[in-house]
Amino acid sequence: NAGVTQTPKFRILKIGQSMTLQCTQDMNHNYMYWYRQDPGMGLKLIYYSVGAGITDKGEVPNGYNVSRSTTEDFPLRLELAAPSQTSVYFCASGTGNEQFFGPGTRLTVL
Amino acid sequence: AQSVTQLGSHVSVSEGALVLLRCNYSSSVPPYLFWYVQYPNQGLQLLLKYTSAATLVKGINGFEAEFKKSETSFHLTKPSAHMSDAAEYFCAVSGDGGYNKLIFGAGTRLAVHP
Repeated sequence: NAGVTQTPKFRILKIGQSMTLQCTQDMNHNYMYWYRQDPGMGLKLIYYSVGAGITDKGEVPNGYNVSRSTTEDFPLRLELAAPSQTSVYFCASGTGNEQFFGPGTRLTVL
Repeated sequence: AQSVTQLGSHVSVSEGALVLLRCNYSSSVPPYLFWYVQYPNQGLQLLLKYTSAATLVKGINGFEAEFKKSETSFHLTKPSAHMSDAAEYFCAVSGDGGYNKLIFGAGTRLAVHP
């Protein structure tokens, strides 16, 4: 089991560029999540999904989009990158009340 | 709305000393509570969780936490710190919006010195 994998590990974007952060899990979990982590702020939920084809907004969804076409994959899309989106992004999957986290993507927008 | 407050953004202890990381929560429904650990440049790893069974919960690496409803607290302890415990620790409560959404505290960075 690879668990939750995320690509890329690091990325630098220019303002206005777009990109997709990839997330894949091999644990057959229904629930998947995207969080961002800013220094001193803990993790904030961006979007979540309760199954293929079903997504919903979390606490800080502005500037992001998601899709869930399969159980395994939950990509996060940034359409017009802004400096405020500089952060570390974590994907997680889970069932019941436990979440398993990926290693994160460190994104810098300049 | 639910929330989590972690008292102390930085805690420093000597190797072998007691570790106490504080977490208080607010919730309008019976909460599920979690402690996660994050080592440098890694994702979060579950240490332990409280899901309305025993109020004293034992986790990995010798950590434990006690749920105290009257104090709305879920403090994390370890009797004897080890150098390898140096990391950032996050307390979280499951969201009352369902779907297992977690509300995280701001985190406490634990330093262990010889």
